[in-house]
Amino acid sequence: AQSVAQPEDQVNVAEGNPLTVKCTYSVSGNPYLFWYVQYPNRGLQFLLKYITGDNLVKGSYGFEAEFNKSQTSFHLKKPSALVSDSALYFCAHNQGGKLIFGQGTELSVKP
Amino acid sequence: EAGVAQSPRYKIIEKRQSVAFWCNPISGHATLYWYQQILGQGPKLLIQFQNNGVVDDSQLPKDRFSAERLKGVDSTLKIQPAKLEDSAVYLCASSLEHGREETQYFGPGTRLLVL
Repeated sequence: AQSVAQPEDQVNVAEGNPLTVKCTYSVSGNPYLFWYVQYPNRGLQFLLKYITGDNLVKGSYGFEAEFNKSQTSFHLKKPSALVSDSALYFCAHNQGGKLIFGQGTELSVKP
Repeated sequence: EAGVAQSPRYKIIEKRQSVAFWCNPISGHATLYWYQQILGQGPKLLIQFQNNGVVDDSQLPKDRFSAERLKGVDSTLKIQPAKLEDSAVYLCASSLEHGREETQYFGPGTRLLVL
């Protein structure tokens, strides 16, 4: 079965520090990987995706993600965290149009 | 560009009642999706449409859930009768076309509480 895992339920970071939200995948064939962010009582907002090509993908709001085939990972990163980045983050794999999501990681950025 | 619209935003019903949710996708988007997000979990696909045809409804509990997209634009998801375990956020999404590379854009969701 194809799956995506987010090993950390919660990540705590101080404002101004770099942040990493981890994602690993287990899929057959090529992975099609996405990151979304969800603020309270709102839908999911698209951040970035990896389809093919450069392993470093740049997205919205200063976020980027690094695709690592040997480690089957697609970690989300940002050089300097903001308090407003505090939210729930989801990694997903697109399987034939169906997004398969991880369980989510709660990011908390403290001043 | 207007995003995906959903209504209502919140709904409280008693078990065994029926409920319907409405979604209007981004203009020009051919593919429409309904996801169910239970508290503490990632969203799970219920059904996806390409124009007015069903592409995948394998995860839709068809004994109680139904969905339609008659004119290939907006869509309605219905639950009849509702169970306690249907309490969740129902998210609608749309994409320009159907495919693994396509970005899906989500609406704000409808939060359903079944008592």
